Amino acid sequence: AQSVTQPDIHITVSEGASLELRCNYSYGATPYLFWYVQSPGQGLQLLLKYFSGDTLVQGIKGFEAEFKRSQSSFNLRKPSVHWSDAAEYFCAVVPMEYGNKLVFGAGTILRVKS
Amino acid sequence: NAGVTQTPKFRVLKTGQSMTLLCAQDMNHEYMYWYRQDPGMGLRLIHYSVGEGTTAKGEVPDGYNVSRLKKQNFLLGLESAAPSQTSVYFCASRRTGDDGYTFGSGTRLTVV
Repeated sequence: AQSVTQPDIHITVSEGASLELRCNYSYGATPYLFWYVQSPGQGLQLLLKYFSGDTLVQGIKGFEAEFKRSQSSFNLRKPSVHWSDAAEYFCAVVPMEYGNKLVFGAGTILRVKS
Repeated sequence: NAGVTQTPKFRVLKTGQSMTLLCAQDMNHEYMYWYRQDPGMGLRLIHYSVGEGTTAKGEVPDGYNVSRLKKQNFLLGLESAAPSQTSVYFCASRRTGDDGYTFGSGTRLTVV
């Protein structure tokens, strides 16, 4: 089935450590790719997006993501995590087959240890 | 501030009651969406609209109806609420040709 997969439900990292959140998609053509963050009780904030071109995308708050076509992946990274990064992160795609709709992964909850 | 406004922010319903959630945007966006968010399931699309007077079903439309009588408003209705509809509901909008989605702050609905 066509889908967006975030294999890690929860991730815990120490403050100052590096972070990588995984995202894979299964659509025929490369979709538009997004990462959103949601702090507790809040709405969704766009971190970054990829449509085409350079496969390494820079976003807000020091985040970046790398698109790898061969792996159908769009993993989110941050070199040094801050306590304020604790939140839920969603990978989302706009499939070329359904150009009107944003499809979300299940989310990854990030906990930061001090 | 320009953006997407959802009302109400919180609501508790009894099983079988009806209610309407309002989404309003002042950005002249053509597309509008209703999602529901449940733990461990991300956001799932309920219904969407590609323009005034048009609506279409998303991934989980059962138990919901929508209307887009005015371009700026997208209403989500629950005719007979069920506990399974306890969720956080998000509205989003975007302009034709633009891939930036603007989200509202959500409505937390509890059906008891």
